[in-house]
This record gives sequence, structure tokens and C-alpha cells, in this order.
Amino acid sequence: DAGITQSPRYKITETGRQVTLMCHQTWSHSYMFWYRQDLGHGLRLIYYSAAADITDKGEVPDGYVVSRSKTENFPLTLESATRSQTSVYFCASRRPDRGTNTEAFFGQGTRLTVV
Amino acid sequence: DQQVKQNSPSLSVQEGRISILNCDYTNSMFDYFLWYKKYPAEGPTFLISISSIKDKNEDGRFTVFLNKSAKHLSLHIVPSQPGDSAVYFCAGRTGANNLFFGTGTRLTVIP
Repeated sequence: DAGITQSPRYKITETGRQVTLMCHQTWSHSYMFWYRQDLGHGLRLIYYSAAADITDKGEVPDGYVVSRSKTENFPLTLESATRSQTSVYFCASRRPDRGTNTEAFFGQGTRLTVV
Repeated sequence: DQQVKQNSPSLSVQEGRISILNCDYTNSMFDYFLWYKKYPAEGPTFLISISSIKDKNEDGRFTVFLNKSAKHLSLHIVPSQPGDSAVYFCAGRTGANNLFFGTGTRLTVIP
């Protein structure tokens, strides 16, 4: 299906385990983003990528790793999950900025619980 | 340090009346402001935006107003419909790479 999809939708993991959240988009958008949503904080940027093999940190990158070997995929890895990483994670993508505003399109989210 | 603030966590409005959602910001470098709407168990969807050089943008029932001197923007929905019930996020954009979101306002439109 066309669009942006995240998997899994729900995940429970134990403290200290590595977990990877997947994000796939079919639009060939160059920009991709990972946000987390927490009560009282809105959505905060974890990492973003301007193109394949180009990634950079956002507001809250600690404890997370990203990679982007292909334009359409942008996985987010928690190397050693902690309870503070319990959150809803959203992936987003958008076209390159060409002087006019282009909005980001969001996936449906992954609800991650770390126990 | 919250650069975008939505001080009203919730708002209830009767169907057919106007809904006004407010947003304040601190970062003068924002070049665009965007409103997103979010239903439960779904990702945010884009609603409307405004450039920092404009003071108003309208799209159907939705109008966004920007007051740069007050660092304040508002989203007006007229007339409000039950399907508008959702959480609304205001966001400010810096350059190409980042959106700074507020904490959201839950709008309930009462039939």
C-alpha cells in the first residue's frame, strides 16, 4: 500500500533488551523523521534523515540509533531499552524543502512499553 | 524548555459554533507554523499552515491567525462539526528539519 507504515504497532519489551522499530514509506520522500509522544511533552524529534546514509540528531537522541541504507526505510533501534523509553513513536516523511512549506506525513505510530 | 505551548489541554464546543484553539511560541526563528490533527490510535495529519510573513491563512472551515508581536497563533474552526473532535497540535518549524510541537489540545464538539 502507498504511504508510510510502521511496524510493529504494539511492542512490549524488557529493560536492557535491544528493540528495533521499523518505518517504510513508498513516496520516495528524501526526509524522514522519528518522533516520540509523551504526556506533557507533545511530540519530540529523536532523529531525522535528509537522504539515504545521511542522519542527524534531534532534540532527544540519547539511547537511540538510526540507519538509512535505503531511501524508503528508516529503522529506529533502542540499544538497551529503559523504562523512560516507554512511549508512542511516530515516523514521518516529507519532500525536500524548495522554499514553500511542505508538510510531514506521519505513520500510525508504535506503542512501546518497556517493563 | 517548551518552545511551543498550548495552555488549554481541552476544549468543548457545541456543534455549529466556533472553536478557537490557541498556541504561544518563544522561538522567533520559526519560519512556518503548522496545525496537525490527531485521532486516537492514528498518526497526526496535517491540517493547515501559515508562513511567518503572513498573518492569516484560510482553508475552508479552518483559519489560522498569526500575531508575531505577541508570538501567538490561533486556529478557528467554523462551523464546528462532531468529526472535528480530536487532539490538535500546533507546531513551529525551523528551516527544513525540525518541527517543535506543543502538547496538544483535545477538542470535543458536542452534537
